[in-house]
Amino acid sequence: SSELTQDPAVSVALGQTVRITCQGDSLRRYYASWYQQKPGQAPVLVIYGKNNRPSGIPDRFSGSSSGNTASLTITGAQAEDEADYYCNSRDSSDNHLDVVFGGGTKLSVL
Amino acid sequence: QVQLQESGPGLVKPSGTLSLTCTVSGGSISSSSWWSWVRQPPGKGLEWIGEIYHSGSTNYNPSLKSRLTISVDKSKNQFSLKLSSVTAADTAVYYCASFASGSFSSGTYYFDYWGQGTLVTVSS
Repeated sequence: SSELTQDPAVSVALGQTVRITCQGDSLRRYYASWYQQKPGQAPVLVIYGKNNRPSGIPDRFSGSSSGNTASLTITGAQAEDEADYYCNSRDSSDNHLDVVFGGGTKLSVL
Repeated sequence: QVQLQESGPGLVKPSGTLSLTCTVSGGSISSSSWWSWVRQPPGKGLEWIGEIYHSGSTNYNPSLKSRLTISVDKSKNQFSLKLSSVTAADTAVYYCASFASGSFSSGTYYFDYWGQGTLVTVSS
């Protein structure tokens, strides 16, 4: 199955914009979805599809994709955005269906 | 609002079988979602274990396939995980989740609902 690659750690100054990226062959066929996970909590969906936010997710979160790369952008990062972020997609290589996760990006808000 | 709740032993002996059940409430397990298991070893990232559709069709992580069985009980609105021959490497928080999809051929899939997770420790 394919893999999704994320930078292990990213930092952003409070109120600034940060982009978290995810690369993988499966992203040429499927959109990435993005999850925020805080310590001791289950992941929470923040972006899915072309650029969709579930109810309750602030509009400072947005998504985009190009080729084999998907991006999660936080415009005007807040202290509460400090968390681990994971990308994920369906995969259909090797003639069977899989689900793949990126290794996660730890976001620090300075 | 769909809710998922994992249940099962928190401690399993090495070489034993890890068994967990996920109960779905607020929605039907016969919906169009794939019902999934995801795990997270302490301090590490998320790992997809496998999934089942209400028809009984399954997809498994190739690295776990030989030890893994996922089943569904529509009458109870539950699905279950059995992982055999466990070792300390299987110690993790295990989540059940629903993997939803957008319109046909949209290429959109996402985990929309998650259980709170349950820690399973493999130790003698």
